[in-house]
Amino acid sequence: EAGVAQSPRYKIIEKRQSVAFWCNPISGHATLYWYQQILGQGPKLLIQFQNNGVVDDSQLPKDRFSAERLKGVDSTLKIQPAKLEDSAVYLCASSLTSGGNEQFFGPGTRLTVL
Amino acid sequence: GENVEQHPSTLSVQEGDSAVIKCTYSDSASNYFPWYKQELGKGPQLIIDIRSNVGEKKDQRIAVTLNKTAKHFSLHITETQPEDSAVYFCAASYNQGGKLIFGQGTELSVKP
Repeated sequence: EAGVAQSPRYKIIEKRQSVAFWCNPISGHATLYWYQQILGQGPKLLIQFQNNGVVDDSQLPKDRFSAERLKGVDSTLKIQPAKLEDSAVYLCASSLTSGGNEQFFGPGTRLTVL
Repeated sequence: GENVEQHPSTLSVQEGDSAVIKCTYSDSASNYFPWYKQELGKGPQLIIDIRSNVGEKKDQRIAVTLNKTAKHFSLHITETQPEDSAVYFCAASYNQGGKLIFGQGTELSVKP
């Protein structure tokens, strides 16, 4: 079974530029999560989708971050404009359904904002 | 608000010794407690989990205990091996859509 795929693996941009990350969850997984992991900390949920609907985006900085999952499969997370404090690893995870099912994580995208 | 505290932040043991990592959570409504292992450059990988209707769960060298009254849960690794070296995260789910609240992580180093 293929795991969660993410691209790119690494990205370096200057502040105020924009960047987008892509995630392909495990086939058949209805729930998709984007987490931000700052160096030395645990992952923090940014947004959760159930199929193509948003379940929780309470921690998403909506003035600069946006995410979509139009067809209920792949998802993109965008930052525009980026700030220095956005430097982190962005992890995508998926699960069969929500509510306590195992979340499978992708390898992450390491973003450096200069 | 929702919070998970994890201790210690670093742990160094000799190969063959046991390692224990402890977490506390704030919301008594939490009912799912997974533990993840994260190796350098990789995403977290689930190693064991426990639900609030049981007090202990074991899988080979790994065990997790849960004390709902005290809102504590712990990871126990016995007979540690160098390949156990990684960062370990505890998490709690408030089961309102499966959102996980993670602890700060424990960097475990197993010395040969």
